[in-house]
Amino acid sequence: AQSVTQLDSQVPVFEEAPVELRCNYSSSVSVYLFWYVQYPNQGLQLLLKYLSGSTLVKGINGFEAEFNKSQTSFHLRKPSVHISDTAEYFCAVTRGNAGNMLTFGGGTRLMVKP
Amino acid sequence: NAGVTQTPKFQVLKTGQSMTLQCAQDMNHEYMSWYRQDPGMGLRLIHYSVGAGITDQGEVPNGYNVSRSTTEDFPLRLLSAAPSQTSVYFCASAGQAYNEQFFGPGTRLTVL
Repeated sequence: AQSVTQLDSQVPVFEEAPVELRCNYSSSVSVYLFWYVQYPNQGLQLLLKYLSGSTLVKGINGFEAEFNKSQTSFHLRKPSVHISDTAEYFCAVTRGNAGNMLTFGGGTRLMVKP
Repeated sequence: NAGVTQTPKFQVLKTGQSMTLQCAQDMNHEYMSWYRQDPGMGLRLIHYSVGAGITDQGEVPNGYNVSRSTTEDFPLRLLSAAPSQTSVYFCASAGQAYNEQFFGPGTRLTVL
């Protein structure tokens, strides 16, 4: 079985400050990792994904994440946030043989203040 | 392309009633999934399908049925609604395994 832990349920930050949203996973097999964003009253959309290759992954809207296999982490970062980044962010994993079966973390609500 | 569409957007049921949540995609995707979203728990997989005629259970399948008679449609049936099924339900589709999943706008279900 696999699980995903997002260490912070809420992260308040001022506009133009850097932010890191933390994600740790546990799995006995290799995994593929994803970050999704959910704006209020909407579905989820993909920010970025790690399947293989470079451990630093760049996504949309200036976000990036680094896969750290030894620490089983996939933290999401942005050097300077905007008000429009206020949303809920979900880390998700899928097993190497599980196709599109995603296991999600509990979510982190990013609140950007002016 | 409309992407992934879900109907209805909102629904209120009484305990014991049955209903079907509709999901359709126009991207010719093979993979489709149903998730439920509850506060603090992220999204949990209910059922999924890897192609027409093929479905399987996810993490929380009890109380739900699915079928996949066409590539486009993947309805979710609640057989006898319970208050524990109050949630927001999302349908998603993907063109290939491990690829981006495209999510619908969700159905907010309340069971009284």
